[in-house]
Amino acid sequence: GAGVSQTPSNKVTEKGKYVELRCDPISGHTALYWYRQSLGQGPEFLIYFQGTGAADDSGLPNDRFFAVRPEGSVSTLKIQRTERGDSAVYLCASSPGLAFNEQFFGPGTRLTVL
Amino acid sequence: LAKTTQPISMDSYEGQEVNITCSHNNIATNDYITWYQQFPSQGPRFIIQGYKTKVTNEVASLFIPADRKSSTLSLPRVSLSDTAVYYCLVGAYSGGGADGLTFGKGTHLIIQP
Repeated sequence: GAGVSQTPSNKVTEKGKYVELRCDPISGHTALYWYRQSLGQGPEFLIYFQGTGAADDSGLPNDRFFAVRPEGSVSTLKIQRTERGDSAVYLCASSPGLAFNEQFFGPGTRLTVL
Repeated sequence: LAKTTQPISMDSYEGQEVNITCSHNNIATNDYITWYQQFPSQGPRFIIQGYKTKVTNEVASLFIPADRKSSTLSLPRVSLSDTAVYYCLVGAYSGGGADGLTFGKGTHLIIQP
């Protein structure tokens, strides 16, 4: 398929562990976004890439969260020393250009921290 | 920062037209208005985007008054499958940053038979 894909679909980990979540955007999309969504809430912005660089990382909650996009395509969201409060669905989206273009979302990764 | 306000929930019936209004009193000159739809266990899906007056596509219409302080998403002849959460976003194409990427809590639309 040509849509945004995210792996894994589900991740269960223990408090204090390190996790990586992967996003494969639509081919050719230069912009990539990470959000997290808790039950009953709307998606919460984390970080936005334009190409390889983070254009806006103001939504990252603290320094345990980090994201990379080394070749301007696939992105990895990294969470160190996970906490129970990190449990959420992590959504990735991509768009053809600037930040306010139509975003195409992936199915999300459900992260559960025990 | 153009904050948006939407009703938390709405109910309607199959075949009816549904209008969901979003308030954005401090919208900026360069800001666009975008609506997304989200079903349970899925990522949001783009519905429509506009700047002023009226925009229509195959699934919805977007009405924006002259002062742009609000907008109304109109869904014609809804069906049960339109039950979802609808989000209104306001932001700019250039330099919008995270302000234009704030989803809020959205409007939970429930369609009954």
